[in-house]
Amino acid sequence: DAGVIQSPRHEVTEMGQEVTLRCKPISGHNSLFWYRQTMMRGLELLIYFNNNVPIDDSGMPEDRFSAKMPNASFSTLKIQPSEPRDSAVYFCASRKDPLSPLHFGNGTRLTVT
Amino acid sequence: GNSVTQMEGPVTLSEEAFLTINCTYTATGYPSLFWYVQYPGEGLQLLLKATKADDKGSNKGFEATYRKETTSFHLEKGSVQVSDSAVYFCALSGQRGNNLFFGTGTRLTVIP
Repeated sequence: DAGVIQSPRHEVTEMGQEVTLRCKPISGHNSLFWYRQTMMRGLELLIYFNNNVPIDDSGMPEDRFSAKMPNASFSTLKIQPSEPRDSAVYFCASRKDPLSPLHFGNGTRLTVT
Repeated sequence: GNSVTQMEGPVTLSEEAFLTINCTYTATGYPSLFWYVQYPGEGLQLLLKATKADDKGSNKGFEATYRKETTSFHLEKGSVQVSDSAVYFCALSGQRGNNLFFGTGTRLTVIP
């Protein structure tokens, strides 16, 4: 079990650039979650998918954020254009079913200058 | 709606001290309750869970009991170690289990 794999671990970019964060969930897990963590706001759910279908994206801050899950083994979170206030650690998590615990990746630390 | 309120941090304890981190919740129906731990530079890991009233979750010397009458799920450990220094999150999963609602996290530092 390789765990949830996120890439890159660190991303530094300039304001206005496009950023793409990647996630590979644990094989056999049917739900995938994207969270954002900051000191000020703590852990915020951005969006989650069940069986590759977006279920709740009410946490996505604005239209600059988009997420896709083209298949069961891959998801992306894109920010275009990026802004300094997007700087945070972004976590991907997956789980097998609603009664199972979430398994988190190690996160992507995004810095937008 | 569903929400979790946990004790504000940070908490600093000496090694072998007793730990309590308070957590209360608001939920419709019968949620499952969790404690997650986050070590520096890592994602959150499940520490323990309880799925129904009066259940006690335990792991690595940590315990928490699901108290429906007080809507609480306080985390306790009898003797903390330096290696327990981390951020602890209380969370609940709604009855439908669709989402996990996290508290704001409590940073624990244990000093030798």
